[in-house]
Amino acid sequence: AQSVSQHNHHVILSEAASLELGCNYSYGGTVNLFWYVQYPGQHLQLLLKYFSGDPLVKGIKGFEAEFIKSKFSFNLRKPSVQWSDTAEYFCAVNPDSNYQLIWGAGTKLIIKP
Amino acid sequence: NAGVTQTPKFQVLKTGQSMTLQCAQDMNHEYMSWYRQDPGMGLRLIHYSVGAGITDQGEVPNGYNVSRSTTEDFPLRLLSAAPSQTSVYFCASSYETGSADTQYFGPGTRLTVL
Repeated sequence: AQSVSQHNHHVILSEAASLELGCNYSYGGTVNLFWYVQYPGQHLQLLLKYFSGDPLVKGIKGFEAEFIKSKFSFNLRKPSVQWSDTAEYFCAVNPDSNYQLIWGAGTKLIIKP
Repeated sequence: NAGVTQTPKFQVLKTGQSMTLQCAQDMNHEYMSWYRQDPGMGLRLIHYSVGAGITDQGEVPNGYNVSRSTTEDFPLRLLSAAPSQTSVYFCASSYETGSADTQYFGPGTRLTVL
């Protein structure tokens, strides 16, 4: 069965530290890839997405992600985190542009001021 | 625009009770879906709709019914609540038909079944 793995369920960092959240998926065909974020008390919202083209995609608030097809990975990065980045981050995969999104379990990120 | 709205925000049910979770969007989106989120797990798709009058099952449809009589509304019905349905429920919509488009989410409904 198709699945999405997020390696860390909880991450705690200090402000200005660099961030990398891992996401791996199990599907050999064409995929669309997403990172969504849920800030405390807010709705889930799109952070960035990859459909095709440049495998390095940039999203809101200085986040970026790199699609590495050979590794089935779509890791999220930010060079310097801020306290306001405290949130839960979800990786999601849409196989073959069908009607279903497969979601990772989420990573709760806490940034210490 | 209000975006995607869900009611209620919280609900407690007894086993065997039925209820309807409401979802509405004012963005004229064709695609709407319901997810449940359980601790340590990602969101799982319950049902989805690609337009008024059209619905289909997702990954975990058992125990739930949906209908889509208008573009705006997509209610989720629990027929006979069970403790296993204790979860947080999210409704989402998107302009393009299919999950490849950006999903807009509601605030969620936290449901507890005793």
